Amino acid sequence: GNSVTQMEGPVTLSEEAFLTINCTYTATGYPSLFWYVQYPGEGLQLLLKATKADDKGSNKGFEATYRKETTSFHLEKGSVQVSDSAVYFCALYNQGGKLIFGQGTELSVKP
Amino acid sequence: DAGVIQSPRHEVTEMGQEVTLRCKPISGHDYLFWYRQTMMRGLELLIYFNNNVPIDDSGMPEDRFSAKMPNASFSTLKIQPSEPRDSAVYFCASSLGGGGDTQYFGPGTRLTVL
Repeated sequence: GNSVTQMEGPVTLSEEAFLTINCTYTATGYPSLFWYVQYPGEGLQLLLKATKADDKGSNKGFEATYRKETTSFHLEKGSVQVSDSAVYFCALYNQGGKLIFGQGTELSVKP
Repeated sequence: DAGVIQSPRHEVTEMGQEVTLRCKPISGHDYLFWYRQTMMRGLELLIYFNNNVPIDDSGMPEDRFSAKMPNASFSTLKIQPSEPRDSAVYFCASSLGGGGDTQYFGPGTRLTVL
């Protein structure tokens, strides 16, 4: 079946540090991949997505590359800010199915 | 656009009471989703609708939960009777199309059942 596994949090970084949040998936065929972000007290919102292998999604300084050979979609940012503190969810969609979310990774950025 | 609107934002109730959560999707969106978020289980899809018709309710935990979408601009999630283990944040989301279309989430309803 389809599943998403994210690195466990919380991840605590200092401002301007490099961020990587790992995400791997299991799926048949060619799923679309997403990162959603949930800021404190809010609902989730789409951060970026990629719909085919080797695609790179990017937004707000965040990037993730769809790697079919390693079934991964790791989220990266070169220099995090305090305002990036949130919970990040990796998700996949496979044809005819539902959006499958990972368990979420909490990021805390300290000044 | 106002985004997805949910009410109430917070609900505290006693065990055994009926609880009704409400959602207004973004106008023109054909899909509506109900999710539940807890620390233990993460984010779970409960049910989703396409053009007001329930498509998949396999995530509804038990018969105490029911959801309706009487028209394109309104949906309810009802719990009767409520139990303490139903305490969670309930999110409604809508999307223009199905599948991989971007889902737009409401701010959620934090439910506490005492």
